[in-house]
Amino acid sequence: GAGVSQSPSNKVTEKGKDVELRCDPISGHTALYWYRQSLGQGLEFLIYFQGNSAPDKSGLPSDRFSAERTGGSVSTLTIQRTQQEDSAVYLCASSPGGRGRNTIYFGEGSWLTVV
Amino acid sequence: AQTVTQSQPEMSVQEAETVTLSCTYDTSESDYYLFWYKQPPSRQMILVIRQEAYKQQNATENRFSVNFQKAAKSFSLKISDSQLGDAAMYFCAYRAPNTGNQFYFGTGTSLTVIP
Repeated sequence: GAGVSQSPSNKVTEKGKDVELRCDPISGHTALYWYRQSLGQGLEFLIYFQGNSAPDKSGLPSDRFSAERTGGSVSTLTIQRTQQEDSAVYLCASSPGGRGRNTIYFGEGSWLTVV
Repeated sequence: AQTVTQSQPEMSVQEAETVTLSCTYDTSESDYYLFWYKQPPSRQMILVIRQEAYKQQNATENRFSVNFQKAAKSFSLKISDSQLGDAAMYFCAYRAPNTGNQFYFGTGTSLTVIP
């Protein structure tokens, strides 16, 4: 598609279950970001992929969170043993990467509710 | 680490009037980019305007303009002739190509437009 695609758009899961959130970036974009947005809050950086470089995982809040990016394209964010405080919108974004005035393009997010 | 501060959690403006949203940032870099993003209730983040730090001229996009004060590390957004569709969360963002190429976001300002 033309934009960043995320799935599922909404997910309700029971506490303790694992969830996977998927992001399909804009074709050709080398940079991919995951952010978390709690209700009424700003964007919390989680992880950043740039081409074949090692990802910047400095924003992952705990070892229950992990992400991978296969083939330099689609990315999956996995949350293990979900907790209620994990409830948030998870936003994925992509960018052409590199220097210059390139901006970042967001998907519509995956709204996760842990009950 | 770079920080972006939006000191106004909420703002309101009368339709057709002008409103200014504040943003300050902290950096030791000389080469960086600044952005304003809009997030309406649909959750889709939309780029409003961007500014390259090396440009002295303030960026303008139709009814949206910025007041970029590099020495003061200030980057405010002015919305002229406010419309009901301008109601949204507005996020200020910073990016520096030489320091990880991350996008750092402020906590956002919720703008209400009063008919």
